[in-house]
This record gives sequence, structure tokens and C-alpha cells, in this order.
Amino acid sequence: DVQLVESGGGLVQPGGSLRLSCAASGFTFSTYGMNWVRQAPGKGLEWVSAISGSGGFTYYADSVKGRFTISRDNSDKTMYLQMNSLRAEDTAVYYCAKSETGYDFDYFDSWGQGILVTVSS
Amino acid sequence: EVVLTQSPATLSLSPGERATLSCRASESVGSYLAWYQQRPGQAPRLLIYDASNRATGIPARFSGSGSGTDFTLTISSLETEDFAVYYCQQRSNWLTFGGGTKVEIK
Repeated sequence: DVQLVESGGGLVQPGGSLRLSCAASGFTFSTYGMNWVRQAPGKGLEWVSAISGSGGFTYYADSVKGRFTISRDNSDKTMYLQMNSLRAEDTAVYYCAKSETGYDFDYFDSWGQGILVTVSS
Repeated sequence: EVVLTQSPATLSLSPGERATLSCRASESVGSYLAWYQQRPGQAPRLLIYDASNRATGIPARFSGSGSGTDFTLTISSLETEDFAVYYCQQRSNWLTFGGGTKVEIK
């Protein structure tokens, strides 16, 4: 069974940094694109970033471009999201989500349980 | 950016009734549209992909239709566990989600 487990969330001050991790198991990690999707409290879903299976291609929503960096370590089966210059509007539950196929832009067929990031002074 | 507009925002129905949810795209997305279910406190779950294909393990009461700019998710007979929020998502031009439709118990 596919398992995705996020970690690294918490409370951070505006302008601060945080690194999220997503540990994957149950599938051939390097074959699939991976994504971060977030959900602000009481709001809908927002795609944040995607990375190809090899890690050679990365994509970002305009709202985080230049501040967030997605990466992956295929030997460790782990994906990361480095978040810098955090703003109050980045407060959300962040989900790690697996792409359904090998396409860079895809549907999300498996999700982690989510991790809360709160940006507040 | 492709904007997905879901309607209605809230659907109040009783168990056993039929639910019809709409998702309209600001430009054609072909058949590159998916539907997700999100129950309170849980992660979303993929229901339908490529507009009309049920994901693994999804009951037959869930069906999707449409292409281009207009899409529909139909739940033929609502079960208690189907009361949740539903989102559409396109992958034709980057990735965007609709705002969601809440299906609540009447």
C-alpha cells in the first residue's frame, strides 16, 4: 500500500523559514511525479508545487514562486519543500500527493495525512 | 490560468437521493478533469479521472461526464458516507482546483 507521511510543520514567524518532508513507501518512488497541495483553514485546495520523477523538472504556483523550493531524494524516497519568506497567507495544511502516472502535471491518486504550517507572530 | 467554477456551493439532500455537481472551466480542458472527495478532517480522495473514469476502489454509484468546459459528477444514490466536500481539478494547463461543493444532509 502507498504511504505518504509529512513532517516538519509548525509555528513560524512571518519572514521565517520551514522545511517540510514527505516520506514515501509502497511504490517505486523515482517513477512518479510528486506534489505539494495546501489548504488554508476553512478554504479549498491549492496546488503549490510539483517535481518530476527524476527531480529534473520543477514547477510552482505563482503564489510561492521564488520563495519555495521543491526537491526530492530518490535514494531516500523522500520529497521536500523548503519554504522561505513565509507570509500569513501561507498558513495552511500542506499535503504531499503522488501523481497518478509519470506525467509532470497529473491527478493525485495518493495523499498524505497533511501537516499544519502556521505563520504568525 | 484555468479557472474552475463549481456549482452549487452547497447541496442539501437526503440519503438515497441523487446528487448532481457541476464544474465549469474558463477554457477547454479536453477530458483532463478529475473529481475528489474530502471528508471532514481527512485528506482528499481521487474519485474520477479523465472526466469519466472511476479510480481504483470507487463505488459504481459515482460517475463523471463531460468534456471541454462543462463537467458533471453524479452520485446516483447518496450513502451516509458520501456527505462531504467535492472538488474538481484540471491538468490540461498547469494544475488548478475548483472551489468545492459541499454535499450536506438535508
